[in-house]
Amino acid sequence: EVQLVESGGGLVQPGRSMKLSCAASGFTFNNYDMAWVCQAPKKGLEWVATISYDGSSTYYRDSVKGRFTISRDNAKSTLYLQMDSLRSEDTATYYCARHEHYWFAYWGQGTLVTVSS
Amino acid sequence: DIQMTQSPASLSASLGETVTIECLASEDIYSNLAWYQQKPGKSPQLLIYYANSLNDGVPSRFSGSGSGTQYSLKINSLQSEDVSIYFCQQNYDSPYTFGAGTKLELK
Repeated sequence: EVQLVESGGGLVQPGRSMKLSCAASGFTFNNYDMAWVCQAPKKGLEWVATISYDGSSTYYRDSVKGRFTISRDNAKSTLYLQMDSLRSEDTATYYCARHEHYWFAYWGQGTLVTVSS
Repeated sequence: DIQMTQSPASLSASLGETVTIECLASEDIYSNLAWYQQKPGKSPQLLIYYANSLNDGVPSRFSGSGSGTQYSLKINSLQSEDVSIYFCQQNYDSPYTFGAGTKLELK
């Protein structure tokens, strides 16, 4: 059974950093591209970033370019999202998702990031 | 960015009824469209990909159709467990964009 378990969310002040993790199991992690997708409270979904199966390529939405870094450790079957210079508008639940081609076939349960002073 | 316009924003229907949700892309996305279901308090789940391919384990009362810029999700014989928010997503071009969602409730 595919499982994606996010961790690392919480309350953080504007301008500070936070690192999210996603532990994957139940599939061969290094065979799949992975992504982060966020959902602001009571709002819709927004794709944040994608990393290729081997970590060689990364893609970001414009609003997080230069502030967020997606990475992975295939030996540990873990996906990461380093978030720097956080803003109030980054407040959201962040989901780890496994790509299947360009759609998101599996999702984690999400971790809430609240950016507030 | 490709804009995805979903309609209606909310929908109320009776058990056993057939409902249809529409999604309009701002440009041709060549059937690169997925539909997701998000139950209250849960993460989204993939229902349909490539506009009309049913994901494994999804009940056959769900179906997708469309091409070009216009797509739809149809739910036949509505069940109580179908109460959810439904999102469309284009995966033709980055950034992969979602519709704003359709909240489906029981009448």
